[in-house]
Amino acid sequence: DGGITQSPKYLFRKEGQNVTLSCEQNLNHDAMYWYRQDPGQGLRLIYYSQIVNDFQKGDIAEGYSVSREKKESFPLTVTSAQKNPTAFYLCASRRGTNEKLFFGSGTQLSVL
Amino acid sequence: GQQVMQIPQYQHVQEGEDFTTYCNSSTTLSNIQWYKQRPGGHPVFLIQLVKSGEVKKQKRLTFQFGEAKKNSSLHITATQTTDVGTYFCAGHSGSARQLTFGSGTQLTVLP
Repeated sequence: DGGITQSPKYLFRKEGQNVTLSCEQNLNHDAMYWYRQDPGQGLRLIYYSQIVNDFQKGDIAEGYSVSREKKESFPLTVTSAQKNPTAFYLCASRRGTNEKLFFGSGTQLSVL
Repeated sequence: GQQVMQIPQYQHVQEGEDFTTYCNSSTTLSNIQWYKQRPGGHPVFLIQLVKSGEVKKQKRLTFQFGEAKKNSSLHITATQTTDVGTYFCAGHSGSARQLTFGSGTQLTVLP
């Protein structure tokens, strides 16, 4: 089946720890995105990548980092600089600008 | 920057009643998309509107794009329990390459 796979489904972070969320797609999409969703709120863009080896900051990039070494993969690292990391993180991809987004099933990150 | 407001934030309806959510943008949109997120799930694309004044229907769902391309609405006729979830609008403005999402309307359907 073609789609986007996010792992893990649940993740816990200790104080001062960096954690990495995985996102893999086999849709052959060029563009990939990371969104953060807080309870009762919309989706806020963290980072996006239009092409391999290139990525751009979104609206709330502080405390996060990404890489795009392969077309299929767009991992997100939540660094210790992100002081309020508890949220639902969604990865998405699409074929091009103005196309629809395909979302992964999300990762719920909590702080211990 | 571009802002997309969506109202209401929450809506409880009795099964069989109609439901409408409204989306308003601070800037003119080149297109607008609608997504549905079931409880505990991820957003799923419903539809995209591109033309001024466009109206599209999907069974009991009717989507409209305003004449000025700054607002949109989703109307559900005779809601069912399967309609439960959060409905998001998301728009592209002319210069922005990324979607800006509304805050969503959480629909609860009471049996």
